Amino acid sequence: DTEVTQTPKHLVMGMTNKKSLKCEQHMGHRAMYWYKQKAKKPPELMFVYSYEKLSINESVPSRFSPECPNSSLLNLHLHALQPEDSALYLCASSHRVAQMNTEAFFGQGTRLTVV
Amino acid sequence: DAKTTQPTSMDCAEGRAANLPCNHSTISGNEYVYWYRQIHSQGPQYIIHGLKNNETNEMASLIITEDRKSSTLILPHATLRDTAVYYCIVRAYTGNQFYFGTGTSLTVIP
Repeated sequence: DTEVTQTPKHLVMGMTNKKSLKCEQHMGHRAMYWYKQKAKKPPELMFVYSYEKLSINESVPSRFSPECPNSSLLNLHLHALQPEDSALYLCASSHRVAQMNTEAFFGQGTRLTVV
Repeated sequence: DAKTTQPTSMDCAEGRAANLPCNHSTISGNEYVYWYRQIHSQGPQYIIHGLKNNETNEMASLIITEDRKSSTLILPHATLRDTAVYYCIVRAYTGNQFYFGTGTSLTVIP
């Protein structure tokens, strides 16, 4: 199983809503990532988790709150988002962060629209 | 972190080899070069990676120059399904993040 599963595939939320994005992998990977991708732009790294601990936060606004409850699951909690936060949110995983010679596997993303 | 520079777009005739260049002149000796591609609105797909030797797999070949300042991804027989944005990534040594550059939009023409 080399799959990273993201749910939901599409999400529309209002600016006062609270929602969560979910990412799951069963490859035994201990590094997990969240990326944000705007239209016609490359993915931008948001967060990196290593062994269920947040290791990198790329100065992401606090309205995005990541959580890694176990080694297979990564969540992104959303609250009070703005319309400019509308984007494709990608999750990825790889073997432990200190292992350079391995690829990251990406999910198909959640298309988020903030209205 | 090392940066990558790629041409914005390229065309390739179907059945011909597609050669996608990437410059990474500030790469460190222990940083790997990775290539991913992204077909419209899908998640990025891993293609190949290497350190200093040339690499080949069932999808592509990766040629890295001896000074490691540039590399070329080769798709030996491009098909219409290879139309995508191709990203060359130098994996950061500290933290091992994958930082995407601007990528090359490859269009395979029938």
